[in-house]
Amino acid sequence: QVQLQESGPGPVKPSQTLSLTCTVSGVSVSSGNPYWSWIRQPAGKGLEWIGRINSDGTPKYNPSLKSRATISLDTSKNQFSLNLNSVTAADTALYYCARGRIEYNHGFPLFDSWGQGTLVTVSS
Amino acid sequence: IQLTQSPSFLSASVGDRVTISCRASQDISSHLAWYQQEPGKAPKILISAASTLQSGVPSRFSGSGSGTEFTLTISSLQPEDFATYFCQQLNSYPGTFGPGTKVDLK
Repeated sequence: QVQLQESGPGPVKPSQTLSLTCTVSGVSVSSGNPYWSWIRQPAGKGLEWIGRINSDGTPKYNPSLKSRATISLDTSKNQFSLNLNSVTAADTALYYCARGRIEYNHGFPLFDSWGQGTLVTVSS
Repeated sequence: IQLTQSPSFLSASVGDRVTISCRASQDISSHLAWYQQEPGKAPKILISAASTLQSGVPSRFSGSGSGTEFTLTISSLQPEDFATYFCQQLNSYPGTFGPGTKVDLK
């Protein structure tokens, strides 16, 4: 059974870089056709997909982040990571890592496994 | 692609039949998923392809619709169903989510 666990520093100051890591257990991040993704949720609001990385290391991002996001894969540690630079208060949210998979002929993956989420607060 | 949900908030009792709507800003065929998010927990996938129940999801949940209009129905609300429900379009990047419908105890 796949499990995901986010880890990160907690508070981040404005203009700095937010860095989070997702540790995956139960499956190798480099096998199959998963879409390892980051998704965020501001308090009391909806969900926003940030980006994903394939098992071959190919990333893809939400254009709304204006090229501030970078996602990488570390197969030796069975982890994937998110860096989000030039953060502002608008980036304060609960950040989830999740496994995506494509079903049928969908053009975007659905998310079948999620971490518990980690709260990131951007404040000076 | 933008998604809207209605209602935003719904009060219901155990045993009630509940219907939640999701509308897409353009035709997405059947490329829609529904998630349930209990308070303090991560979302859980319920339905994909608009109407296909995921493994382990109770049969009281059902989905319907295609094109731009979709519906999630809970046939008989159970105590564990009080949660927020999100739709997500699976048609194209960036896989936008609806704003959510919170189902609360009347």
